[in-house]
Amino acid sequence: QKEVEQDPGPLSVPEGAIVSLNCTYSNSAFQYFMWYRQYSRKGPELLMYTYSSGNKEDGRFTAQVDKSSKYISLFIRDSQPSDSATYLCAIKAAGNKLTFGGGTRVLVKP
Amino acid sequence: GAVVSQHPSRVICKSGTSVKIECRSLDFQATTMFWYRQFPKQSLMLMATSNEGSKATYEQGVEKDKFLINHASLTLSTLTVTSAHPEDSSFYICSARGQHRNWSLARFYEQYFGPGTRLTVT
Repeated sequence: QKEVEQDPGPLSVPEGAIVSLNCTYSNSAFQYFMWYRQYSRKGPELLMYTYSSGNKEDGRFTAQVDKSSKYISLFIRDSQPSDSATYLCAIKAAGNKLTFGGGTRVLVKP
Repeated sequence: GAVVSQHPSRVICKSGTSVKIECRSLDFQATTMFWYRQFPKQSLMLMATSNEGSKATYEQGVEKDKFLINHASLTLSTLTVTSAHPEDSSFYICSARGQHRNWSLARFYEQYFGPGTRLTVT
């Protein structure tokens, strides 16, 4: 079993819809939770970073962490075609090393 | 957000030659830098972690004599692929973690990634 599981998609939604992404993890030592967006042939871009259970909002993005269920989510409101990308969750315990999910490919259709 | 640059963005080399890739943090002091490789439609695979002024720590299965990492300053790390072979063709991405240059801002940057370098070995 992988330490971080993420549905590879693709997830196809119409423009304006809410995109819902999630990851599950197995290691209870994980404390820090990140979401990255990666466009094709580009480096990942950090979208959200949180370290506590609950919700964190930044513009159209909401990150949700449920440590008791070892489940994290990212919601994108009012999705745009420019949101079409691969979204990666990344989690780490104290220290440096990030453990990535496999990424979910998202396609927002105009 | 923080800016991390990589150079070159794309390189094609012949089998047996060596290639150097540079990673720079532009507005913060990267106390730790990471090197990843990514194959098509796959997630990132961590190759090594380097702390400024120290030897890199390599992940299991990564040959340290083949992938030479130098992190000589707080803003620059280099990855050299020695005696490259076609199977080394991949997308190499660095990331950096550290403190803003202006320490009074007390701003810490969690891992920010560079734009990546596409290596093709013919």
